[in-house]
Amino acid sequence: DAGVTQSPTHLIKTRGQQVTLRCSPKSGHDTVSWYQQALGQGPQFIFQYYEEEERQRGNFPDRFSGHQFPNYSSELNVNALLLGDSALYLCASSLTGGQNTEAFFGQGTRLTVV
Amino acid sequence: AQSVTQLGSHVSVSEGALVLLRCNYSSSVPPYLFWYVQYPNQGLQLLLKYTTGATLVKGINGFEAEFKKSETSFHLTKPSAHMSDAAEYFCAVSEGIGFQKLVFGTGTRLLVSP
Repeated sequence: DAGVTQSPTHLIKTRGQQVTLRCSPKSGHDTVSWYQQALGQGPQFIFQYYEEEERQRGNFPDRFSGHQFPNYSSELNVNALLLGDSALYLCASSLTGGQNTEAFFGQGTRLTVV
Repeated sequence: AQSVTQLGSHVSVSEGALVLLRCNYSSSVPPYLFWYVQYPNQGLQLLLKYTTGATLVKGINGFEAEFKKSETSFHLTKPSAHMSDAAEYFCAVSEGIGFQKLVFGTGTRLLVSP
């Protein structure tokens, strides 16, 4: 059973560019959350997708947007990249409605903005 | 708003010694509490979780944590440290498993010396 997979694993972009990160949830999961982990910090919640809609959002600007597809996979898009967007981006999947569920995390995408 | 405070950005122990990583939380509703471990260049792996019921929770790799509501704490312990325990540990709080929005602490790096 494949867990949460993210692509690419590493990415280097230039300031002002746009980037798309991808996530495939664990089999059987229907909810995808995205987190940003800056160096030396804990992960910060960006947003969560369920039933192809953004259900919750953290304190991130509109430059950060996302999408969820019918197969539950998800994309995170960041426009007008800033140096401060350099971080490890983590995707987590879970099952909404289950009482004994947990979030499973992918390995992350390391984004470097130069 | 929920928050997590992890006391000590770095904790050093000798192999075989007791491991104690501290976590205090703030939540306006009954919290769900988690400990995650992160190895270098990896995603997050769930060690254990507290939802309801028994306040002493046992997890993987010999770790356990006790939920103390009166102290708003959820400290992580392991009786005997192994070299393989060296990693970053994150405490997190959630308003409920169903929505899985996790609020993380800043992390504690555990160093284990021979």
